[in-house]
Order: sequence, then structure tokens, then C-alpha cells
Amino acid sequence: GDSVTQTEGQVALSEEDFLTIHCNYSASGYPTLFWYVQYPGEGPQLLFRASRDKEKGSSRGFEATYDKGTTSFHLRKASVQESDSAVYYCALSDQGGSAKLIFGEGTKLTVSS
Amino acid sequence: GGIITQTPKFLIGQEGQKLTLKCQQNFNHDTMYWYRQDSGKGLRLIYYSITENDLQKGDLSEGYDASREKKSSFSLTVTSAQKNEMAVFLCASSTWGNYAEQFFGPGTRLTVL
Repeated sequence: GDSVTQTEGQVALSEEDFLTIHCNYSASGYPTLFWYVQYPGEGPQLLFRASRDKEKGSSRGFEATYDKGTTSFHLRKASVQESDSAVYYCALSDQGGSAKLIFGEGTKLTVSS
Repeated sequence: GGIITQTPKFLIGQEGQKLTLKCQQNFNHDTMYWYRQDSGKGLRLIYYSITENDLQKGDLSEGYDASREKKSSFSLTVTSAQKNEMAVFLCASSTWGNYAEQFFGPGTRLTVL
């Protein structure tokens, strides 16, 4: 079945560091790919999504590019802030026409000042 | 905009007890979901409902029942609570389609004594 793998379980950075969180997926065709962010005490919220090869999604300084060739959707940010500390989830949509999502395991980002 | 309300915020029960979690949304979305969130395992789908009176099993439905009483509400019942299912339960809603954004509630934290 379809799956999503996030390599990093936890990432610790200092403010202004560059962030990369790796996301690889396994699915046929062109699933829509998502990044969600979850702050403490809240539910996940959509950061951005992409549905076509080479499409770039971006929001709040975060970005990721849909790469069909490497089946990846890596999250990057050039300069992180303490307020970016959260759990980040990569997800893909079920292609059966539903809105079902398959989530990766999540990456906890901690940014210190 | 809209909001998803989950009650209760914290739920404590005894092993073997039947427990019910409730979710309400005012987005007027057709589709609603229940996820279980375990640390390091991401979000796993328990049940979803495409429309009122519809129920579909997710990957983690064993040990749970669900009920879509009306378009705005979706309940989840833990049929016999076990210590190994202590987790946060998240409710979400969305429109239909594989590009749809899911909107999440803040979660119910289940503790089993």
C-alpha cells in the first residue's frame, strides 16, 4: 500500500539555521502531497500542498518541491525561528477520489535562541 | 472560517470500560475523520465518514466503533479500553477530493487506568 517515510524523528537547531526535513513517499501515479504542522496543544494544520511533478508549495518561509523522480517532498526553510518549534508531518492523499490522508511518523523540530 | 470542537479534552477510564469521544464541526463539511496519534507513529486513521449515515473503516478500526449522527457530528467509541491504546485522538473534517485540506480539532487525550 501507499506509504510516507520521514527520516528524522527529531531535529534540534539554533535560530537562523537552515532546516531540511526529508520526506519520501511510495505510491503509484500522482498523489497530492502535503505538509502539516502541529503546535503543542493543537491539532495539525495545513502548511501547504502540491499535486504535480516539479510543483513547489510554500508558506511562511517553508517550501518543498514535488519530485516524482526521487518520490520526495522535502521540507526546507532558510532561517528558522524559535516560533517554528513544532511537529511537522508529511502526508499523501489516497488516490481513490477520497480525501483520506496517509501520514508520515512526524518530525519534532526544536529551535533554540 | 469554522471550528472543530472535541469533547472531552481529557478522558480517563478503567481497563475494559466503554468510552465515547465526541466531535462537532461547523464548516459544513461532508467528510469527517477520526485519527489516533501515538508518539513517533504519526496519525493513523480509525474511521471516516463521507457523508451523514456513512461509515468507512480505516487501518486501525479494530476495537473502535463510530457513529455519524448528523452532518456536523461524529462520535468514536472505544469498545473496551486497553492500557496500550492511551493516545491522543484527533477529529478532522474536509470537503471531498484528494486535494482537500483537512481541518483538525485539538484532540482528546485518553488515559486508561
